[in-house]
Amino acid sequence: DTGVSQDPRHKITKRGQNVTFRCDPISEHNRLYWYRQTLGQGPEFLTYFQNEAQLEKSRLLSDRFSAERPKGSFSTLEIQRTEQGDSAMYLCASSLSTGWEGYTFGSGTRLTVV
Amino acid sequence: DAKTTQPNSMESNEEEPVHLPCNHSTISGTDYIHWYRQLPSQGPEYVIHGLTSNVNNRMASLAIAEDRKSSTLILHRATLRDAAVYYCILRDGGANSKLTFGKGITLSVRP
Repeated sequence: DTGVSQDPRHKITKRGQNVTFRCDPISEHNRLYWYRQTLGQGPEFLTYFQNEAQLEKSRLLSDRFSAERPKGSFSTLEIQRTEQGDSAMYLCASSLSTGWEGYTFGSGTRLTVV
Repeated sequence: DAKTTQPNSMESNEEEPVHLPCNHSTISGTDYIHWYRQLPSQGPEYVIHGLTSNVNNRMASLAIAEDRKSSTLILHRATLRDAAVYYCILRDGGANSKLTFGKGITLSVRP
């Protein structure tokens, strides 16, 4: 296992278009998290899954954002009708559900909305 | 989530020890102290965590004050590859807790 993989690494899209990002977690990890990071800030929590169940969503996750994790393996994050304010690095992380386990992060997908 | 306070930035010299402070005066008894670091153009990376006792691993040491209201991440010999943003995070020991990041401290290492 080579860690958490995210695809694509970079995405440039026009305002109003839909985009979808994919995250492949470490195979034995049952938890998967999405974060968003803008320049100069720490990552902000968006949502997380335990297996296929989405257990928590941040208020940051507007109606234009949707995340899925079918079959409890990979996950997708879709942004509909993108806005310039959506430009950010989108980070995925995975972990085991035992309380103190550290997260393993991917390298992120950098989204630029023009 | 309980909050942490870190300086914005710190500079160090290569091959010298680095002490990165973190204040968490409102820590609760079930909060673990976690440290992550983020190298340029990468996702955050787990460094170390502890509850009450000092902890050592291959990357760093974590010194926790007796009253747990502050902690210090210690890099024993800084290298250029240690230049990164270091985040001090409190995480409740409950099974459903998540990591909440602040702005972190930017460490620069001079050759």
